[in-house]
Parts: sequence; C-alpha cells; structure tokens
Amino acid sequence: EVQLVESGGGLVKPGGSLRLSCAASGFTFSSYSMNWVRQAPGKGLEWVSSISSSSSYIYYADSVKGRFTISRDNAKNSLYLQMNSLRAEDTAVYYCARDRLTPDSSSFYFDYWGQGTLVTVSS
Amino acid sequence: SSELTQDPAVSVALGQTVRITCQGDSLRSYYASWYQQKPGQAPVLVIYGKNNRPSGIPDRFSGSSSGNTASLTITGAQAEDEADYYCNSRDSSGTVFGGGTKLTVL
Repeated sequence: EVQLVESGGGLVKPGGSLRLSCAASGFTFSSYSMNWVRQAPGKGLEWVSSISSSSSYIYYADSVKGRFTISRDNAKNSLYLQMNSLRAEDTAVYYCARDRLTPDSSSFYFDYWGQGTLVTVSS
Repeated sequence: SSELTQDPAVSVALGQTVRITCQGDSLRSYYASWYQQKPGQAPVLVIYGKNNRPSGIPDRFSGSSSGNTASLTITGAQAEDEADYYCNSRDSSGTVFGGGTKLTVL
C-alpha cells in the first residue's frame, strides 16, 4: 500500500524557517517525481514545488522561489521542503504528492497524496 | 503564468447529472486531471488522461475535453459526491490548479 506521511509542520514566526519531511512507503520511491502542494485555510490547492526522481529537475512556484528548497533522499525514501523567510501567506496545510505521467504523455497527475502537515506563520 | 478557471459553485439534484468545467490554454496541449476533496481530507484523484479512473473511483465519474475546456461529469450524483473539485494541468510555466468548484448535492 502506498503511503505518504508528512511531518515537521508547526507554528513559526514571520521570517523564520521550517523543514518539512514526507516519508514514503509501499512503492519504489526512487522511480517517481514528487511534489509539494499547499492549501491555505479555506482556499484552493496551490502547487509549490516538484523534484524529479534523481533530483536532476527541480521546479518552484513563483510565490516560493528563492525561499523554499525541495530535496529528497532516495536511500531514506524521504522528500523534504526547507522553508526560509516564511511569511504569513505561507500559512497552509502542506501535502506531498506522487507525480505521474500517462504513457502517451498527454496528462500529468498526482495519484497519491499524504494527509498533510499544517504550517502556521504568525507572531 | 498559466491559469485554470473553474466555476466557484455548482449544485445538482440527487441522482441527476452535473458537469464541472475547467478552462485554460494549457488544456489545448494536455488533458486535465481532476481531484475530489472533502472537508478535512486530502485530495483524491478521480480522473486523469483522456478519461481514466483510478481503481476504486465509481464509473459515474467521467472526463472529457474540447479545445481549451476540460469537463468532469458525474452521472447520477450521490450525496457522498458533495465536495470540492479541482482540475490540474501543466505547461512550460509549471503546474497549476483551478480555483476549485464546490459541488452541492440537493
């Protein structure tokens, strides 16, 4: 059974830092690209960052570029998100999600999601 | 940056058919994927590709696409289908979600 379990969320002051982790199990982690997606309270989903299976390709949303760093450790089956210079607008539930592409490359999708970890940025 | 536009809210009578739409330029190149999210829960993939359902998703859920518009259709909506629905696609700018559609089953 595929499982994604996020951890590391909590309350942090503006300007502070936090590191999120996502522990993966039930599949060959090193074969899949992974993503972070967030959801502010009462708002919609927002893609944050993605990393390819071997960390060769990394992408960020403009809203977090230069402040957040995605990484992974395939030996530990883990995905990370280092968040620096946090702002109130970064307050959200952060989900990790597994990335897939249809065989004909016509559609990207996230087939498994974790339950999320809440990050609250407040003084 | 790319955008996907969804109607904020849609309602449907129990047992009737409802279509939720998603518009965006990236949909001319890629099929959308669709996610259902119930309060307090993580999103769940319901449709991907041309019209594919993951295991466990009822066949009353279907997807279609035309031009820059993707649609999620629920044929015979059930009370448990009441949820937020998000479309998703990707282009050279990155990955983007629609703003979400709140579906109410009356």
